[in-house]
Amino acid sequence: DAGVIQSPRHEVTEMGQEVTLRCKPISGHDYLFWYRQTMMRGLELLIYFNNNVPIDDSGMPEDRFSAKMPNASFSTLKIQPSEPRDSAVYFCASSLRVANEQFFGPGTRLTVL
Amino acid sequence: DAKTTQPPSMDCAEGRAANLPCNHSTISGNEYVYWYRQIHSQGPQYIIHGLKNNETNEMASLIITEDRKSSTLILPHATLRDTAVYYCIVRVPGNTGKLIFGQGTTLQVKP
Repeated sequence: DAGVIQSPRHEVTEMGQEVTLRCKPISGHDYLFWYRQTMMRGLELLIYFNNNVPIDDSGMPEDRFSAKMPNASFSTLKIQPSEPRDSAVYFCASSLRVANEQFFGPGTRLTVL
Repeated sequence: DAKTTQPPSMDCAEGRAANLPCNHSTISGNEYVYWYRQIHSQGPQYIIHGLKNNETNEMASLIITEDRKSSTLILPHATLRDTAVYYCIVRVPGNTGKLIFGQGTTLQVKP
């Protein structure tokens, strides 16, 4: 298996633009997680899905952020409009079950100018 | 989930054992101790987890004290590739998918 796949790996955009990050989890994994990592706040969970259904989105910072999982093999994290403070590395992870180890993707480094 | 305390940084000589401590004095009886690490610019990687017995896998050993208030992750023969930030996390598996990452310990393996 190729592991968790994220795209793009790097994204540079201007303030106010819409940004869409993509994730393909490991095949057969029922859980998908979106994390954000910054120097100030460290690694924090934004939202996670079970069988394509959002379970906990309490970490989503505000309404500008939205996440979807239209099928078992694809998820998106959208920021609209983007702001400079959204600059961070965004990781996607998946696991077979909620108690199992989480496998992380390589991350998307987002820079909002 | 219980809070954990780790030293911010540690050094280890290449080829020697690296012993990374973690305090979790408020751990509950059903909470597991998990260890992940993050090598620079990569996503976190699962290492090992345990409840109360010591655990060993191909990557590391986990030693949990009898009162479960602290644990130690042991990398038996550290290599330069083990240089990373190591996170100790306490959670109840099955309760929630959340992994709450603290600041971790930055391990520098030196030649």
